[in-house]
Amino acid sequence: SQKIEQNSEALNIQEGKTATLTCNYTNYSPAYLQWYRQDPGRGPVFLLLIRENEKEKRKERLKVTFDTTLKQSLFHITASQPADSATYLCALDESGGYQKVTFGIGTKLQVIP
Amino acid sequence: EAGVTQSPTHLIKTRGQQATLRCSPISGHTSVYWYQQALGLGLQFLLWYDEGEERNRGNFPPRFSGRQFPNYSSELNVNALELEDSALYLCASSYAGGLSITGELFFGEGSRLTVL
Repeated sequence: SQKIEQNSEALNIQEGKTATLTCNYTNYSPAYLQWYRQDPGRGPVFLLLIRENEKEKRKERLKVTFDTTLKQSLFHITASQPADSATYLCALDESGGYQKVTFGIGTKLQVIP
Repeated sequence: EAGVTQSPTHLIKTRGQQATLRCSPISGHTSVYWYQQALGLGLQFLLWYDEGEERNRGNFPPRFSGRQFPNYSSELNVNALELEDSALYLCASSYAGGLSITGELFFGEGSRLTVL
């Protein structure tokens, strides 16, 4: 069956360090993969999208990699700040549209001052 | 530009009752998606509406239904409520089904449904 796996346990990191979150998937051939940020009791907010033919995408302190051979995406936050503390969700879609966007359970990141 | 708005913010019902949740998409967006997020679980896809039609639904029983109005707003109805229906219900909108420039979904803040 199709599956998306994210570290379901919280990730604690010291302020200023680089946080690395992992998203693994099985039995999917996604056209693209997205990362969202979700704060408690709030709706997810889109961060980055990476397509199947892209290896890496950057936006300010954020970097996403996408390895379709390993079926894995890594999400990096450099120079992490306490304000980066949130749950980060990966989502993928294999249809090229939105109707089959599937979300992982998310990884809770805590940046310690 | 106003974002996706959802109402009510919180709703408390008892088992067997019906709940109606509402969503207004971003102006210009024709697609509306509904997701359920139960405590400790990921977002589960419920329904997708585009141009007034139901285009796809997730693995939920028929007592979860909805509709999209001519102004592209949408409502989600949950009949015969069960305790496990307690969750945050999130609505998202996008341009017509298919990739926008960034391919993102724009989410509302959600409606918290509690079933007692």
